Amino acid sequence: DAKTTQPNSMESNEEEPVHLPCNHSTISGTDYIHWYRQLPSQGPEYVIHGLTSNVNNRMASLAIAEDRKSSTLILHRATLRDAAVYYCILTNYGQNFVFGPGTRLSVLP
Amino acid sequence: NAGVMQNPRHLVRRRGQEARLRCSPMKGHSHVYWYRQLPEEGLKFMVYLQKENIIDESGMPKERFSAEFPKEGPSILRIQQVVRGDSAAYFCASSPQVLNYEQYFGPGTRLTVT
Repeated sequence: DAKTTQPNSMESNEEEPVHLPCNHSTISGTDYIHWYRQLPSQGPEYVIHGLTSNVNNRMASLAIAEDRKSSTLILHRATLRDAAVYYCILTNYGQNFVFGPGTRLSVLP
Repeated sequence: NAGVMQNPRHLVRRRGQEARLRCSPMKGHSHVYWYRQLPEEGLKFMVYLQKENIIDESGMPKERFSAEFPKEGPSILRIQQVVRGDSAAYFCASSPQVLNYEQYFGPGTRLTVT
C-alpha cells in the first residue's frame, strides 16, 4: 500500500504556479521522496526527488517540510503540457516503488 | 542515448494464449522493473531484476507469470494462458543503480485479452 496521501485532483490556470501537496506522516529517516508524473497514454516520467533539503531542477521544485511528514511539488508556471497524474512516492534502499492513485492535474488555458 | 524500449506497443491475445512482453533498458542500466497498470488505476510493482537474477518478485502472481533478464538481450515478461483480467498496460523501467535512483520508464505494452 502507498505510504503517501495526495488529493485526487487539482486544477490550475495556464502560466500560474501550481503547488501539489503530499502527506507522508510515517516517513522513516532513510526514505527518499520521489515525484513522477504520467501523461495520458505514456509511461511515468521522473520529475524530482529529495531527502531533507529543498530541491530545484529544470522541471520543478520540491519543498520538504522540516519534520519531513509532508512535501510539496511546485511547478512554477504551469503549461498545458503539464496536465498529467502526479505521483508522490517514498523509496528506500532495495525497496520497490509503490505508486498510489496520485493527483490528476488539469491545466486550464 | 535511446530511452527504455518496449515491444510490442500493443498486443492482442485470445484467452489461453501466451503473451511475451519485451523490454530493452537504457544503455548502461542493469536494473529492470516491471509494473502493471489496470485502467484508471495506479501502477503496481510486479518484479525487479538485475542481469540474470530476480531480486524481488513479490508483486508478481505466483502462477502463469514469469520474468527474466538474461545476460544478453532484453528483459522478458511472460504470461501464460492469459485471461481477460490480464488486460492492462505493462510498463518496464530501468535504472543504473538501485540506491534511490530515479527509474526511467518505457512507453508500455498494452495487452488486450479477448
